[in-house]
Amino acid sequence: DADVTQTPRNRITKTGKRIMLECSQTKGHDRMYWYRQDPGLGLQLIYYSFDVKDINKGEISDGYSVSRQAQAKFSLSLESAIPNQTALYFCATSDSRTGFEQFFGPGTRLTVL
Amino acid sequence: QQQVKQSPQSLIVQKGGISIINCAYENTAFDYFPWYQQFPGKGPALLIAIRPDVSEKKEGRFTISFNKSAKQFSLHIMDSQPGDSATYFCAASITAGNMLTFGGGTRLMVKP
Repeated sequence: DADVTQTPRNRITKTGKRIMLECSQTKGHDRMYWYRQDPGLGLQLIYYSFDVKDINKGEISDGYSVSRQAQAKFSLSLESAIPNQTALYFCATSDSRTGFEQFFGPGTRLTVL
Repeated sequence: QQQVKQSPQSLIVQKGGISIINCAYENTAFDYFPWYQQFPGKGPALLIAIRPDVSEKKEGRFTISFNKSAKQFSLHIMDSQPGDSATYFCAASITAGNMLTFGGGTRLMVKP
């Protein structure tokens, strides 16, 4: 969905490097999420934010941090990347006023060598 | 541990056939069960969803069947088409929390 954009779309980095993945949305949604997708494991929640001042850990937050810079922006950082963080990362948004549907961005493919 | 278990991991169906994907959950507090469809290179998108007050929901060729006592729900795709080839995820949520717990995904291939 073009309303949720992620940058970069692909990134190759080395072990120990700091990486930031960015997510922006024009949907006006208050809630934003970061997921990680690995084959056979589905989507696992890393962090979520219900508004600008609200940040919560998900299932697999170790090794990750986030920043909600504005209602429309939610970034995910890997402070010191490791190879097992190689995965597909998705940002998603939802609107607390209208229901539970989450709208996903196109994903960022991250490879840590 | 996965609170939502999905099977099979992959499925091959002939065009016109019925595709069936199953999910089982543990948490009886779950009260919202969506299915998401993901095409290669894209993010998942909501396909259809059900709440436990009904046993079945149908939208076009897609049907969710829900068995509350067995804590299971399934997606049926009737008259499967090559364009249905995608990865399908079941999920579950507690309404109050709005956090989705996803199954492991099923890669569906529909052969022409």
